[in-house]
Amino acid sequence: AQSVTQLGSHVSVSEGALVLLRCNYSSSVPPYLFWYVQYPNQGLQLLLKYTTGATLVKGINGFEAEFKKSETSFHLTKPSAHMSDAAEYFCAVSAYQAGTALIFGKGTTLSVSS
Amino acid sequence: DAGVIQSPRHEVTEMGQEVTLRCKPISGHNSLFWYRQTMMRGLELLIYFNNNVPIDDSGMPEDRFSAKMPNASFSTLKIQPSEPRDSAVYFCASSLLAGGGELFFGEGSRLTVL
Repeated sequence: AQSVTQLGSHVSVSEGALVLLRCNYSSSVPPYLFWYVQYPNQGLQLLLKYTTGATLVKGINGFEAEFKKSETSFHLTKPSAHMSDAAEYFCAVSAYQAGTALIFGKGTTLSVSS
Repeated sequence: DAGVIQSPRHEVTEMGQEVTLRCKPISGHNSLFWYRQTMMRGLELLIYFNNNVPIDDSGMPEDRFSAKMPNASFSTLKIQPSEPRDSAVYFCASSLLAGGGELFFGEGSRLTVL
């Protein structure tokens, strides 16, 4: 079985500051890991994903995440926050096989102040 | 290309009424997922289909909920009878079985049961 824990339901940063959103996962099989973003009244959009290979994954809008198996973590970072980054972010995990569902964390709301 | 299309976008109904939510997945996708999003419980997987066949419905809350996928281009989620605690945003998502697990989400159906 898979599960995801996102540490911190709300993170606030200043514009230009580092963004760090934390995600830890539990999986009995090699995981696929994802970060999604949700803007108000919209569906979820994929930011980035890790399947196999390079453990540092780059996504859209300057975000990246690093898969650390020893720490069972997949934290999301961005060097410099923009006002437009304010949204809700979800970490998700699925089993390392086709045709399985994503299990999502509870989400982290990112606020960016000027 | 059109994304995942959900209807209605908003539904307000009274307790005891039947509610039907509809989803058209992305053409060519062969997996379809229904999720429910609430403030208290976050994103919960309700059910998912591979090649129109239900694979896991363990997330369906109770017998009042049912989902069908009569063909590759259409799915419904039905609640009968509806209750106020069913109020939530219901998301449909689709993916390719061999596509590395990425889900493509619709914009959601916001259900309010009075």
